[in-house]
Amino acid sequence: ILNVEQSPQSLHVQEGDSTNFTCSFPSSNFYALHWYRWETAKSPEALFVMTLNGDEKKKGRISATLNTKEGYSYLYIKGSQPEDSATYLCAFGTGTASKLTFGTGTRLQVTL
Amino acid sequence: NAGVTQTPKFRVLKTGQSMTLLCAQDMNHEYMYWYRQDPGMGLRLIHYSVGEGTTAKGEVPDGYNVSRLKKQNFLLGLESAAPSQTSVYFCASSLAGGNNEQFFGPGTRLTVL
Repeated sequence: ILNVEQSPQSLHVQEGDSTNFTCSFPSSNFYALHWYRWETAKSPEALFVMTLNGDEKKKGRISATLNTKEGYSYLYIKGSQPEDSATYLCAFGTGTASKLTFGTGTRLQVTL
Repeated sequence: NAGVTQTPKFRVLKTGQSMTLLCAQDMNHEYMYWYRQDPGMGLRLIHYSVGEGTTAKGEVPDGYNVSRLKKQNFLLGLESAAPSQTSVYFCASSLAGGNNEQFFGPGTRLTVL
């Protein structure tokens, strides 16, 4: 069983704060790293799929970086808004990557 | 497009009863997955399929069976439900393997008494 760890488990920030989370994964046999956003009472939705070491992706105020050699990815949110409140999941694919292993997520709460 | 749909949305079973959860996708995706979500744990893969007629075990397959007779449907069966199978079940699909995003269904909340 692959170990995908996310930190922190939860985070509470004020509107306008910038924040970041970490996803750690095994550095060997890397194939892909996914980030998903999961709002309460909804389903996870993909933010980014990253496959190359050094990759950086951006969608609006959210961006992610990837370091496959050391086995981590960062997700950044610039100027947090209440609508950013959600659980952010990362998932790691290895080998033939027909499947992903998910972390337990970072729960973000943004208050006014 | 409806995306990924799951039937039913909620179900309560008694220990020992059987049931089938249906997942359907209209995106012509090759890969389909069944996960369970429990408090404090990440999404855990039960079974998955890389194409019509194929299935494979995931991380927690015991007590479940699956079938993919049609490309658009992926069925998850519980032959003899146990309280440990109380969970929220999510189906997902993707165009192909690990460098393709997964699209999730709305989930099925199952309680086994």
